[in-house]
Amino acid sequence: GENVEQHPSTLSVQEGDSAVIKCTYSDSASNYFPWYKQELGKGPQLIIDIRSNVGEKKDQRIAVTLNKTAKHFSLHITETQPEDSAVYFCASNTGGSYIPTFGRGTSLIVHP
Amino acid sequence: DVKVTQSSRYLVKRTGEKVFLECVQDMDHENMFWYRQDPGLGLRLIYFSYDVKMKEKGDIPEGYSVSREKKERFSLILESASTNQTSMYLCASSLTASEAFFGQGTRLTVV
Repeated sequence: GENVEQHPSTLSVQEGDSAVIKCTYSDSASNYFPWYKQELGKGPQLIIDIRSNVGEKKDQRIAVTLNKTAKHFSLHITETQPEDSAVYFCASNTGGSYIPTFGRGTSLIVHP
Repeated sequence: DVKVTQSSRYLVKRTGEKVFLECVQDMDHENMFWYRQDPGLGLRLIYFSYDVKMKEKGDIPEGYSVSREKKERFSLILESASTNQTSMYLCASSLTASEAFFGQGTRLTVV
């Protein structure tokens, strides 16, 4: 089955810096790559996603890139703010499957 | 506003008790999931369901069972709770291979 590796497990940055979280996947048939943010005491919530026919997608300070050849995708957060502090999960869905496989999560800490 | 609601935020149960975790979604989604979240291990799939009365084992089904009698409701059952089942439990629902909507989680402590 699909395997998703996520790095780093913890990321600490100063407010205003950029943060990058990287994921790799194993199944070349994967075609949907969502990113979830989990704030303290809440369930994960989708923040951005990308499909395999697209190489990059942006939404304000957040961007995701996908390299299908290398089977990796990344989340980029620019101009980080304290409210960006949370656990971030990457995931992938193999083509036709509705079951996402999640990475182990990255705890992002943004210091004021 | 879409919603997945878990019946309890916090639960404390004794070893050997039968425990029911309830989840309800109001989005008419076919797919529903139960995950367990532990530090350093991410989200691990316990069971999922793609239709009423249908269920499939996930990666860690041992010690758990599920019930889906109605489309909107998916229940997780711990037949005989053990201390190693102390964890955060997350329910989710989705429509095909797209965004999963999560509940707020139930933090279960088994003593």
